[in-house]
Parts: sequence; C-alpha cells; structure tokens
Amino acid sequence: AQSVTQLGSHVSVSEGALVLLRCNYSSSVPPYLFWYVQYPNQGLQLLLKYTSAATLVKGINGFEAEFKKSETSFHLTKPSAHMSDAAEYFCAVSEARNAGGTSYGKLTFGQGTILTVHP
Amino acid sequence: NAGVTQTPKFQVLKTGQSMTLQCAQDMNHNSMYWYRQDPGMGLRLIYYSASEGTTDKGEVPNGYNVSRLNKREFSLRLESAAPSQTSVYFCASTYTHLGNEQFFGPGTRLTVL
Repeated sequence: AQSVTQLGSHVSVSEGALVLLRCNYSSSVPPYLFWYVQYPNQGLQLLLKYTSAATLVKGINGFEAEFKKSETSFHLTKPSAHMSDAAEYFCAVSEARNAGGTSYGKLTFGQGTILTVHP
Repeated sequence: NAGVTQTPKFQVLKTGQSMTLQCAQDMNHNSMYWYRQDPGMGLRLIYYSASEGTTDKGEVPNGYNVSRLNKREFSLRLESAAPSQTSVYFCASTYTHLGNEQFFGPGTRLTVL
C-alpha cells in the first residue's frame, strides 16, 4: 500500500525567504506524485505533478519539486515566498495499477502543511 | 466550463437527519471521487466511481452511500447523520490515465449537531 508523510504540519517563513515543504512517500511501484494547494475556504488546485519524466518539476506560481527516488522524497520549494503563498499544501501519490493492470486514479494524500508568510 | 460543482456549500444537520450532497462535472471525465477533509488528517477517500454504473468503497465508507447517476453526476448520501460526520466534503473527477491529476470542487461544509 502506498502512503505519504508530510514533515511539519505548520511552516512559517518571512516574505522573500526560501519555502521548503517536505514530502516523503512509500510505494511499491514507481509513483506518480502531486502537490496541491488549498487557499482558505476553497477547493484544491494542482501546483505540479511528477509522472516519470524530468525529476525536477516546475509548477505554477514559481514552485518546483524534485523527485528523489533514493530518498523517496518529493519536496516542494520556492526561492522567495510571497504573502499570497499563505495556504495549506498537500502532497499526494497516485496508485499505479491494480492487479488487473488498470488504474482507477485514486490518490493518497499527506496530512497537509499550513504555510504562513510573515511580512 | 464550470469544472466540478458541488451543492450545497454549507449545511447544518441534526443527528439522525439525512441529506444528499450533489456533485457534477462538465469535463467528460470517467472517474469521480468523494473525500472528506478533517484538520490534520488530509483528505480521505470515502467512495469512488471509476466509470458510469460502478462504485467502490474508499478508506472511510461507513455511514455513507453513493450514486453515479450518469457520467456527469456523483452524489453522496448520509442516511443518518452523526456528529463524527462533521467535515468538509470534496468531490473530484479525472479522466483515468496514469498520471492524470484530479480536479476538485469547492467543497461542502457540513456540521452535524
């Protein structure tokens, strides 16, 4: 079974500082990995995804993530935080295939990390 | 293109009451999902439907039922609401293909007193 662990339920940074949100996964097959962002009282929006192409993935709003198979990690970074980045961030892993070779596209989510940005 | 829509946005129920949460998507996706979101627990899958006419249990199905009415619509029913079902409920959809992301609705905030 696959699982996702996000280290740190709350991360606080100053505006302009580096943002680093950590995600480690467990999967028995090569995974597909996603980062979603949730602004207050809204649904989830895709930031970026890894689907076995380039290991460094660039997403929206200046975010990027690097897939490291040896560390089973998919950490999210942004060089310079902006006040508008304050939100909750979720890392998710997609099932690869079931026994019959079919994917139902199910996602397993981490617990979420709330990012606070201080002026 | 409205994407994924959910109704209602907010609901307050008394213990034992029933209700149905509605979800619709206009992206011609084949798979649809219902999640609940609770603080510190991320999103947990309640039920999903891989295609029209099929539904399967997810991680936390107890106390819920679903109906895939057609390709567009996937409803979630609480037959006898309990305070433990107080949560934010999200519907999502995708075209099932390895690596495709899910698209989420805006959520329904449910309180059971």
